[in-house]
Amino acid sequence: KQEVTQIPAALSVPEGENLVLNCSFTDSAIYNLQWFRQDPGKGLTSLLLIQSSQREQTSGRLNASLDKSSGRSTLYIAASQPGDSATYLCAADKMGQNFVFGPGTRLSVLP
Amino acid sequence: KAGVTQTPRYLIKTRGQQVTLSCSPISGHRSVSWYQQTPGQGLQFLFEYFSETQRNKGNFPGRFSGRQFSNSRSEMNVSTLELGDSALYLCASSLVVGPRSTEAFFGQGTRLTVV
Repeated sequence: KQEVTQIPAALSVPEGENLVLNCSFTDSAIYNLQWFRQDPGKGLTSLLLIQSSQREQTSGRLNASLDKSSGRSTLYIAASQPGDSATYLCAADKMGQNFVFGPGTRLSVLP
Repeated sequence: KAGVTQTPRYLIKTRGQQVTLSCSPISGHRSVSWYQQTPGQGLQFLFEYFSETQRNKGNFPGRFSGRQFSNSRSEMNVSTLELGDSALYLCASSLVVGPRSTEAFFGQGTRLTVV
């Protein structure tokens, strides 16, 4: 059974800092690893999708990497801004199966 | 391009009642998945439909059911509501190429409160 964990559970940083969010999964036979952002009371916004054949994806100030052998993914946020404050969730799925989500990292970027 | 649309956004129901939630996926997406999000349990998978067939099901009681129509729109139904069913219900749609699902896009959710 796939289990996904995220470290840290919460993070508070000053504006402009670079930061790394960590995601670990127990079953390396995943197909997709997707990172999402969730604002309070809202749905999930897709940030980056890494397919199993890929090692990383980049979008603007975001970079996500995937290491299936070690069961880890990281989300790197460069030059953080107050608007980045949200909960960040990672989710892993196997081919033909549903996503398993981590508990999330709650990020606060202080102006 | 329209995103995933969930209706209604908010619902208040009484214990014992039933409720139906609706999800319209992104045009062209034939896979629709439902998730329940609570503060204690996080995001938990309910079920997935693809081409009107339930493809996967999570570990929820039979009071939770769903269906998908020929236009890919999906509904989920919860019967005999309990206080513990209060949650944010999220729907996701994705494009399926063969057995593989691609990027999942979520709706804004339906906030269900059971009193």
